[in-house]
Amino acid sequence: DAGVIQSPRHEVTEMGQEVTLRCKPISGHNSLFWYRQTMMRGLELLIYFNNNVPIDDSGMPEDRFSAKMPNASFSTLKIQPSEPRDSAVYFCASLDSTEYGYTFGSGTRLTVV
Amino acid sequence: AQSVTQLDSHVSVSEGTPVLLRCNYSSSYSPSLFWYVQHPNKGLQLLLKYTSAATLVKGINGFEAEFKKSETSFHLTKPSAHMSDAAEYFCVFQSSYKLIFGSGTRLLVRP
Repeated sequence: DAGVIQSPRHEVTEMGQEVTLRCKPISGHNSLFWYRQTMMRGLELLIYFNNNVPIDDSGMPEDRFSAKMPNASFSTLKIQPSEPRDSAVYFCASLDSTEYGYTFGSGTRLTVV
Repeated sequence: AQSVTQLDSHVSVSEGTPVLLRCNYSSSYSPSLFWYVQHPNKGLQLLLKYTSAATLVKGINGFEAEFKKSETSFHLTKPSAHMSDAAEYFCVFQSSYKLIFGSGTRLLVRP
């Protein structure tokens, strides 16, 4: 199994541009999470999907952020328009109901200049 | 409220000496607790998980953690540090579907 796959690994964009981060969870995992890691706030949950349905998006910072999961094998996190304070590492994680633990992707390092 | 507190932001040890990374938790019920490791510019890797089956939990790479309810602690230990153990370690509390991360402890291993 290739694990949780995120793309791109690094993204540098200018303020105001749209950014799309992608995640492919482990096949058969029915829960997907997006986390953000910053120096100031550590790791925070942004949104949680179960069976492709958003269950908890209370961590999404503001309307500029949106996430979708059109099918069990793909999710996107979009920021439009991006701002320098969005610079962070964004992690995707997936979980099976019988899984020992959450499996994290390698993350996308986003830099907004 | 459920939370975890990592008592040290940095720990420095010499290679071959024991490692102790401290974590206290706050919970009104029996918690599920994890330790994750993050190597520089890498993702998060699960080291071990406590789920109440046994108070001493063995993980990967020689790490283990002991759940002590009386002390509300879940400290991570390793008998002998290796250079490759240098990384950031997170104590994590599972609250329903959410993972609540501690602030992290950066482990430095001196040759």
